Amino acid sequence: DGGITQSPKYLFRKEGQNVTLSCEQNLNHDAMYWYRQDPGQGLRLIYYSQIVNDFQKGDIAEGYSVSREKKESFPLTVTSAQKNPTAFYLCASSPQHQGTSEKLFFGSGTQLSVL
Amino acid sequence: QKEVEQNSGPLSVPEGAIASLNCTYSDRVSQSFFWYRQYSGKSPELIMSIYSNGDKEDGRFTAQLNKASQYVSLLIRDSQPSDSATYLCAVNMRGGGATNKLIFGTGTLLAVQP
Repeated sequence: DGGITQSPKYLFRKEGQNVTLSCEQNLNHDAMYWYRQDPGQGLRLIYYSQIVNDFQKGDIAEGYSVSREKKESFPLTVTSAQKNPTAFYLCASSPQHQGTSEKLFFGSGTQLSVL
Repeated sequence: QKEVEQNSGPLSVPEGAIASLNCTYSDRVSQSFFWYRQYSGKSPELIMSIYSNGDKEDGRFTAQLNKASQYVSLLIRDSQPSDSATYLCAVNMRGGGATNKLIFGTGTLLAVQP
């Protein structure tokens, strides 16, 4: 089945620790995105990538890092510099970067909590 | 002013009634508008997209767009308890340089009462 797979579903981070969230897609989409969702808030863009080996900061990139070594994979690392990491993280993809009509396909999300 | 604004709700409607969800946006040149449904603890799923003024119907859902008023709405006819979810409005807006970016509202929680 084609889709976007995020893992793990739940993740716990200790203070000072870096953690990595996985996102894999087999839709052959060029563009991939990471969003953060806090309770009662909309989705905020962290990073996005239009093509392999290239990525751009979104609105709230501080404390996060990404890589795009393969078209299928776009992992997100939450570093110790991110002081308030507890949130629901969503990975998404689209056939091309957000032109005027591109629709996003979302993974099932990762809930990150701080111990 | 927020770029995309929605009433957070909850909006409570009886089963079988019409639910009306509203969204306003700030960028006058926006061209693409989307409604996503999100069940608690799940990821958003696209239910409607609209690009030109007027109404677009898909089953029990109707999206309405008024670019002059910078307003987009979603009507759900014959509301069912299974429609109870948060509905996110998303608008494609100008980003830096030549790029666009999708901006989401905070969502409206809809509760359909049996």
